[in-house]
Amino acid sequence: GAVVSQHPSWVICKSGTSVKIECRSLDFQATTMFWYRQFPKQSLMLMATSNEGSKATYEQGVEKDKFLINHASLTLSTLTVTSAHPEDSSFYICSARGSSGSDNEQFFGPGTRLTVL
Amino acid sequence: AQSVTQLDSHVSVSEGTPVLLRCNYSSSYSPSLFWYVQHPNKGLQLLLKYTSAATLVKGINGFEAEFKKSETSFHLTKPSAHMSDAAEYFCVVTYTTGFQKLVFGTGTRLLVSP
Repeated sequence: GAVVSQHPSWVICKSGTSVKIECRSLDFQATTMFWYRQFPKQSLMLMATSNEGSKATYEQGVEKDKFLINHASLTLSTLTVTSAHPEDSSFYICSARGSSGSDNEQFFGPGTRLTVL
Repeated sequence: AQSVTQLDSHVSVSEGTPVLLRCNYSSSYSPSLFWYVQHPNKGLQLLLKYTSAATLVKGINGFEAEFKKSETSFHLTKPSAHMSDAAEYFCVVTYTTGFQKLVFGTGTRLLVSP
């Protein structure tokens, strides 16, 4: 299957700082990328959907000014957690979907663990 | 609203014995259902999917699942567990076409003992 990478795999930051997480599709062009959040021992919750070259669509309850998503190219999407606080500590996972056909699988990255002190 | 319920948070089996991971879904429409596996430090991997074709779906690594509309279930099975099967398994439903808007269950951790 297709490969999706995330960088960094883990990050620790101080409260009030901003953190950027990158999601890359390595061997295919991703017209759509998804960002999920996973709390310990809980399920993945979709945060937002982004299409290349357009604004992201955020799920209800997700603050778009806090979680900035950029999908500027067909292989890269970034999630920036602005003014991070301890409650933002979580496991962030991206997935990417290609453009061919109407029933394309989402390929998931390995995740980024964010710890805010 | 669409949702999935994974009935067991943990399942423990011995190597070589059968695996059963249970999943029930709630959907107003004909659902598409999936099972994903999550190994530590690796991305989620699709095991199998049901999209209104054959009700018995065969996936990778010897896993299969049967869609039972009357029971609103999509249980994952494997005849013989292997140590490498130890991981977190997620049952997933989508209510749109094309893998959009995946709704994840809470996950079942499969433990395999020698």
